[in-house]
Parts: sequence; structure tokens; C-alpha cells
Amino acid sequence: EIQLLESGGGLVQPGGSLRLSCAASRFIFSTYAMSWVRQAPGKGLEWVSTVSSSGDRTYYADSVRGRFTISRDNSKNTLYLQVSSLRAEDTAVYYCAKGGGTYYALDYWGQGTLVTVSS
Amino acid sequence: QAGLTQPPSVSKGLRQTATLTCTGNSNNVGNQGAAWLQQHQGHPPKLLSYRGNNRPSGISERFFASRSGNTASLTITGLQPEDEADYYCSAWDSSLSAVVFGGGTKLTVL
Repeated sequence: EIQLLESGGGLVQPGGSLRLSCAASRFIFSTYAMSWVRQAPGKGLEWVSTVSSSGDRTYYADSVRGRFTISRDNSKNTLYLQVSSLRAEDTAVYYCAKGGGTYYALDYWGQGTLVTVSS
Repeated sequence: QAGLTQPPSVSKGLRQTATLTCTGNSNNVGNQGAAWLQQHQGHPPKLLSYRGNNRPSGISERFFASRSGNTASLTITGLQPEDEADYYCSAWDSSLSAVVFGGGTKLTVL
């Protein structure tokens, strides 16, 4: 069974930074695009960012562009999201998700890591 | 970034049929179609369908996806208590170079 395990979330003050990681296993990581999707408490899903299989193309939601950076290390089967200049509205569960051959059909999801931005 | 439009809630009786809709435009749903996801409270989403009516292995045939123009639909037949969940659609928007989600529909099985 494909596994995605996020880590790196926690409580951070406004303006602070974190690096989220997603360890992938049981599939050929380097052949699939990967995404981060977040969900604020009691709210719907919000796409954050996508990186192509090789890492050469990245895409961001307007709400995070310039503050968040997505990257991947295919030698370590790991996806990253560097989150900076955090705001209260960034508080959410951040999910790592695998692209199922397209950028928008995310076929496997991790359990998520909670990021809380508060003073 | 504008998202896709879904009705906030739908209620149907046990063993009935529910049809959920997702409206976008020619840059997203009308271009490459939509995917549908199911999310139970406290759990990550699960992919139900993509690129028309392609279902991942293990997804029941009771879930049928279709598209007409810029609107995608998910029809769930023979509703069961476990179908009660939030349903989201997603698509790639070629003009935004972004994934867009719908706001989600809460399905209640009476």
C-alpha cells in the first residue's frame, strides 16, 4: 500500500517559518507529480502547491506565492514545503498528495500535519 | 483564484440516488474534466473518480462521474449510511496554471 507520511507541523508565531516534509514509500516517487493541499479547521480543501515529477516545474496558489516553496528530493523519496511569513489564516492541516497521472486527480493522501499560527 | 462551484449540502434517503454537481468554466472542468473526492470527518480525502468516469481500484460502481460542458456530476446510487461525507471536485485550470477545488458538498443520508 502506498504511504505518505507528513511531518514538521506545529505551533508557530505569526511571521515565523517551518519546513514540512512528506516521506513517500511503495511507489516510484520520481515518476509522479506531488502536491500540498491544506484544510483550515471546519473548512474545505485548498490547493497550495504542485511540483512536477522531476522538480523542474512548480505551481502555487496566489495566497501562498512568494511565501511558500515546494521542492522534492527524488533520491530520498521526500517532498517538502518551506512555509515562511506565516499568517493566522495559514492555520490548517497540510496534506501531501500524490498525482495520479494528472495534476488535479490526487489519488493518495497522507494523514496530514497541523500547522497552527498563533502568538 | 476562483474555485469550482458546488452546492453546500444535499440530503437524500437511504437507498435513493444523489447527484452532486460541480460547475467551472472552459479553462478547467470544460477543458480536462474533473476529479471527485470523498472525505469523512477526521480523515484525509479519497479519490473516487478522474478524467470522466475512471475509478481507482476498490471504488464502488455505485459512484458514477460524468460531465456536460463546464459542469461535472457525481451520481451515487443506492445510498448507504457510509456515503454520508463531504464531496469535493477538483480540476486543473489551464489559464491559472493551478489546481482548483470546489467548496465541497455535505451529503446527508436520511
